[in-house]
Amino acid sequence: EVQLVESGGGLVQPGRSLKLSCAASGFTFSDYYMAWVRQAPTKGLEWVASISYDGGSTYYRDSVKGRFTISRDNAKSSLYLQMDSLRSEDTATYYCTYGGFAYWGQGTLVTVSS
Amino acid sequence: DIVMTQAPLSVSVTPGESASISCRSSKSLLHSNGITYVYWYLQKPGKSPQLLIYRMSNLASGVPDRFSGSGSETDFTLKISRVEAEDVGIYYCGQLLENPYTFGAGTKLELK
Repeated sequence: EVQLVESGGGLVQPGRSLKLSCAASGFTFSDYYMAWVRQAPTKGLEWVASISYDGGSTYYRDSVKGRFTISRDNAKSSLYLQMDSLRSEDTATYYCTYGGFAYWGQGTLVTVSS
Repeated sequence: DIVMTQAPLSVSVTPGESASISCRSSKSLLHSNGITYVYWYLQKPGKSPQLLIYRMSNLASGVPDRFSGSGSETDFTLKISRVEAEDVGIYYCGQLLENPYTFGAGTKLELK
């Protein structure tokens, strides 16, 4: 059974950093591109970043370029999102997903507020 | 960026009746490989999104065949036949043709 378990969310002040993790199981992690998608409270879905099989290629939405870094550890079947210089507009539930967004974790809530 | 426009924003359906949701993209989602990269997702209340339809018309694993997807290069439709109580939630179309991947604003389906 596929499982994606996100962690690392919480309340953080504007300008500070946070690192999200996603532990994957039930599939061959290194065979898939992985992605982070977020959802602000009561809002729709917004793709944040994607990473290739070996981490050699990464892609970001413009609003997070230079502030967020997506990475992966295939040996640990884990996906990460380092978020720096956080802004109030980054407040959202962050989902780990893959396979054309066929599989989603339960999400982890990030709240950026003073 | 490719803009995905959904209609209606909300729909109220009598159980057992059918429902259709439309989605229009600002650019053709037909790739040169012949695949149309539009996807449909359902987010039930308090849950993570789930994939319903991939590549315009393919039913995802475990999804009832009451759901179907169709369309052209820029206009797409999700049809739900014989709506059931478990179909309540917000439906999103999304394009995975090119970065940034984008989604429609969502269509809320409620029961009458």
